[in-house]
Parts: sequence; C-alpha cells; structure tokens
Amino acid sequence: DIQMTQSPSSLSASEGDTVTITCQASQGIKNYLNWYQKKPGKAPKLLISDASNLRVGVSSRFTGSGSGTHFTLTISSLQPEDFATYYCHQYGSLLYTFGQGTRLELK
Amino acid sequence: QVQLVESGGALVEPGGSLRLSCVVSGIHFAYYYMMWVRQAPGKGLETVAYITTDSNTILYGDSMRGRFTVSRDNAQSSLFLQMDSLRADDTAIYYCATGREAGIADLWGQGTRVTVAS
Repeated sequence: DIQMTQSPSSLSASEGDTVTITCQASQGIKNYLNWYQKKPGKAPKLLISDASNLRVGVSSRFTGSGSGTHFTLTISSLQPEDFATYYCHQYGSLLYTFGQGTRLELK
Repeated sequence: QVQLVESGGALVEPGGSLRLSCVVSGIHFAYYYMMWVRQAPGKGLETVAYITTDSNTILYGDSMRGRFTVSRDNAQSSLFLQMDSLRADDTAIYYCATGREAGIADLWGQGTRVTVAS
C-alpha cells in the first residue's frame, strides 16, 4: 500500500492567518489525491479532489496543488469554522490510503 | 437526496463478532464502488475495506485482513462488514463511503460506533 505522510501533525494559527499542510506519497500517484476536513462527531467532508479541484460548495479559501509525490493544501484567511483536522487521501493505487492527519487549532 | 445509513455497531467482547450494515438510497447503488473507513478514538482515518460494483475486487487494510469480510447486495442497495475475532484496537466509528468517480468519496454515512471491551 502507498504510505501518505502529512506534515505538520498539528498546527496552531489565528483567524485570518494562511496555513499550508503538506502531504508526501511513498510512490507517485499522479494527481489522484483528495483532501478531507474532519470535525468531531461529523463525517469527513471532501474539500478537494484530483489534487486541485475544489468541490462544489467549498470555500475558495481552500487551495490544493501538487502532483506525483508532493502535495499541499493551503487555507487562506482562516475562519472559525476552519479549525478542524485535515487528511490527505490517495486513490492512485488500491488500497486507497489516508495521511495521518493535521490538526488545525486556534492559537 | 442521497443517504448512507450505517447500523449494527455495538459493545462486544474481545474475540467476538459483529456485522455492520450500510443502506444506501438516492443513488443507483449497483454503479458505485463502496468503502468502509474507520476512526479509532484519538486516531486518524483508516481504510478498512474496499469493494467494486460487481464484488470482483475486494481489498482490506493490513490489520483487518483475515478477520473482516466485506460484501454487498446490489438488489437491496446494501453494504455489509462482517467482523470476526474482534480486538480492542478495532474500537472505532465505522463509516461507509462512496462516490460517482473512482476514489473520490464524497458521500458518507454518519457512522456507527463499535466498542470492543470486556
């Protein structure tokens, strides 16, 4: 299985800040990468697919980029509702796998 | 309106068995691959199992292989997860998930809680 390594594992930021989360794949996966937002008690929410395709209804403050093995998720102008845990998820190779998550906390 | 509704979660003793179900409505279930994903307390998301539309390809996460069995009934729009030889580290919320495009899971259930403890 492809291993996905996210960094950092946690991040403290203030409202209005811009933050970037990185995801590294153990093998090339082209652009077959999703980003999910997870809040306690809720199902994961798909934010970005195909590494950079913003899903319908998702704020344009979220931007994804990358291909091959290196990917980033940038969240600009942080809002209160953005403080959550974020996961990258590769679907370039079965079995699809998640990164270990990045917890974004309010400073 | 698309709905994925999991059920079957419970408190079970180590070594026991449990069968989870996921009933799907609002989409043509037979056309969709399905996954089970879990989240243990304080841990991240983990793919448990994957099954194609025709059940010809079935894959499991490393720690589930040999103990869990995923299946589906396209006529009943249902997905199942038979979990045997349960261990404490199987304690988690289990989600079923799918999507129109391969690998892009944008449809999720609300999850069902499994607790393995004596």
